[in-house]
Amino acid sequence: QQQVKQSPQSLIVQKGGIPIINCAYENTAFDYFPWYQQFPGKGPALLIAIRPDVSEKKEGRFTISFNKSAKQFSLHIMDSQPGDSATYFCAASSIAGANNLFFGTGTRLTVIP
Amino acid sequence: DGGITQSPKYLFRKEGQNVTLSCEQNLNHDAMYWYRQDPGQGLRLIYYSQIVNDFQKGDIAEGYSVSREKKESFPLTVTSAQKNPTAFYLCASSMGGASNQPQHFGDGTRLSIL
Repeated sequence: QQQVKQSPQSLIVQKGGIPIINCAYENTAFDYFPWYQQFPGKGPALLIAIRPDVSEKKEGRFTISFNKSAKQFSLHIMDSQPGDSATYFCAASSIAGANNLFFGTGTRLTVIP
Repeated sequence: DGGITQSPKYLFRKEGQNVTLSCEQNLNHDAMYWYRQDPGQGLRLIYYSQIVNDFQKGDIAEGYSVSREKKESFPLTVTSAQKNPTAFYLCASSMGGASNQPQHFGDGTRLSIL
């Protein structure tokens, strides 16, 4: 049973576009929602994270939007660049769950020059 | 440079053989984790350890074993009981503690069957 559902599976955008990746969860105990970026042959790298007491967080060109009532959160990449082409994973964890992360299935993003 | 080192980068296993994947961190993190990554399935938790000499099973622990004798080391053994071991294995660490802390990942070991 997938605790965090992620969509789309793949995404292709033109340079400068704004790709949006969506995630949904059911467990209301989740209280930490990170996004990871992974390049081929490398481990995931933490990109940005949010807690449910805020509805939006920005770091550079990356923005997380969080909708607690809908149990959904999304990643927006502003002014996307070819170097952003990677696989993106959302995840969720809870203090009660010993900080164990539940990952979405990933979104492969391709940014065309 | 602080970080997580996984070795080897590539590993091949023969039928009936146990193999051990190494994970070392110099971040002074208390908690360490092992994940398995398969195409289209995201990352799944195999084992985790919040403190030295203690570890817990994750969602897919069958066919795997771990030890945590030192704070900086958390090796994973893929036993012959794991019938489908071909995957990308990722080790992570975090500060641990009572509040959620970000997990930092190594660059993985790709295990294949000969």
